[in-house]
Parts: sequence; structure tokens; C-alpha cells
Amino acid sequence: EIVLTQSPGTLSLSPGERATLSCRASQIINSGYLAWYQQKSGQAPRLLIYGASSRATGIPDRFSGSGSGTDFTLSISRLEPEDFAVYYCQQYGSSRTFGQGTKVEIK
Amino acid sequence: QVQLQESGPGLVKPSETLSLTCTVSSGSISDYYWSWIRQPPGKGLEWIGYIYYTGSTNYSPSFKSRVTISVDTSKNQFSLKLSSVTAADTAVYYCARTNILTGYYFYFDYWGQGTLVTVSS
Repeated sequence: EIVLTQSPGTLSLSPGERATLSCRASQIINSGYLAWYQQKSGQAPRLLIYGASSRATGIPDRFSGSGSGTDFTLSISRLEPEDFAVYYCQQYGSSRTFGQGTKVEIK
Repeated sequence: QVQLQESGPGLVKPSETLSLTCTVSSGSISDYYWSWIRQPPGKGLEWIGYIYYTGSTNYSPSFKSRVTISVDTSKNQFSLKLSSVTAADTAVYYCARTNILTGYYFYFDYWGQGTLVTVSS
């Protein structure tokens, strides 16, 4: 089965800095099936990116997704205070649909 | 915009069946897929399965032997039943609208707030 591995586990950055989050699949996946979510403590996840690079409705353009094959990236160009959260990548095709998450914390 | 609300018992005994309902409002359940996703305390997200408004289903292999998802279009609701639960099934359970176009995309765009279900005697 396809396994998504996210790195790093925790990213410590300051507001205004750029964040780069990685999601690596154990085998080639259809990039259309790759999505990213943001989850804040006590809240449901929020869709950020679908189809590897398409921003969901209402998502600021500081969020961008890229990648294909087995390597995908979520970038946040300039971190705002509200961006500190846990981020998950997601694919379709096996029981392990989601990566384990990357926590972006304030440095 | 579409809103989803989970409802059901917050406490289930081991070996019994967990039952939850998701009510969809401000939108029709028709023409979309609908999923259940769970998150054990302090852990990541697990997709359980989805149902199309017509009733066709697809379950994660991890849950296939003990899960049933059903839909009631007249009530704009869909439901989850998970049998033979253990403490490992303690989690926040989310329902979510699922966008699927085979070969093109698969993602969850609207989520309920989630409901905590604890499995304990």
C-alpha cells in the first residue's frame, strides 16, 4: 500500500519566514489525488490545496502546493500568526490516506 | 455554504457497535460523495470510507470487515456503523464532503466539527 511520509515532524519558524513542508509517497501517485490540510488545535481540518497545486476556495495565495510522482511540497511564503498549526497531506488509493502530519510551531 | 453536523452517543462499550449520523445542511446530499474520517486523541487522521448519494460505498481496507456507511437522502443524512469496537476506536469522528473524479482528484472540502466517541465499559 501507498504510505505518505511527511517531513519534518516539527518545523520551528518565526512569523514572516517561509515554511516548506514535504510529503513523500512510497510509490508514484496521481498528483490529482494529493491534497493538503491545516488543522488547528480542537478544530476540524481545513482544505488548503487539492490536485497537488490548486488552492481551495478562500485560501490565501501565500499557500502553494507543488510536486509530482512521489515528492510533494506545501509552501507558505510568509508565515502569519494564524498559520501555526499541524499540516497533513492526503492521497487516495490505500488505507493510509493521510500522512502523519507536520507541526509548524512558533520559534 | 454546506454545513455538516455529527451526532450520536459519546460513549460506547467494548464489543458493541458505534453509530453516528451526519446531517448535511445548506446544501443537498445529492451529487456528492460523503466520508467518515477519525482522529484518535493526539494522533493523525484516518479515512474510514465514503458513500455516494446513490448508496454505493468504498471502505478503507483497515475498516472494511466491520464498517457500514449508509445514506438517507430524504433526511439529508448519512450514517456510520462500526462494529466490535475496542478502546483503539476511541477517537474524534468527522464527517466530510468528498470530491471525487476518478483519475483527476479526491479531496475533502467541507468537514463537520467532529464528535468524540470514547470506547469504555
